[in-house]
Amino acid sequence: GESVGLHLPTLSVQEGDNSIINCAYSNSASDYFIWYKQESGKGPQFIIDIRSNMDKRQGQRVTVLLNKTVKHLSLQIAATQPGDSAVYFCAENPNYGQNFVFGPGTRLSVLP
Amino acid sequence: DAGVTQSPTHLIKTRGQQVTLRCSPKSGHDTVSWYQQALGQGPQFIFQYYEEEERQRGNFPDRFSGHQFPNYSSELNVNALLLGDSALYLCASSLQGSVYEQYFGPGTRLTVT
Repeated sequence: GESVGLHLPTLSVQEGDNSIINCAYSNSASDYFIWYKQESGKGPQFIIDIRSNMDKRQGQRVTVLLNKTVKHLSLQIAATQPGDSAVYFCAENPNYGQNFVFGPGTRLSVLP
Repeated sequence: DAGVTQSPTHLIKTRGQQVTLRCSPKSGHDTVSWYQQALGQGPQFIFQYYEEEERQRGNFPDRFSGHQFPNYSSELNVNALLLGDSALYLCASSLQGSVYEQYFGPGTRLTVT
């Protein structure tokens, strides 16, 4: 079935370093993706989105890269801060805006 | 700008009981989607409501039902609760039946004993 997976279940980075969280998706028809950040006990927080007609999109300290050839998505966080510690999910929209398929998530730990 | 709100925050029920969870979408949004998130996993899509109708449904049994009101708020009902229904239930809102720029609420933590 359709699925979204992540290469690294956990990622530890030093404060101030850049972080890269990766995601593989399986449905080549997916046309829209969102990265969410989820802190313990809270709902997922929208970080950044990208449509399939783009290969890069930048936000504040975050950049999402989309490689449709290999069905790969990444989230880059610049100058990682302690407040960035959370679980990050990529979500794939396989059917034109109707619902998302989420992967299991990657836990980002920022070391002092 | 009011975000997505959900109530209650926590709930404890017994097997076989019924539960109703509530959601108010982000200001300006008219579409509500419900997700179930088991501990340590990503959210799983339950269904989506738009124009007071269920538009899309995930792989969940009929024990899970919902409703959307004219003010766009929504309810999720679960009948005949099972231990496996224990999870964080998330509501997300968006516009016009799509999931573009979908925002989540804080969730309702349901524990079934």
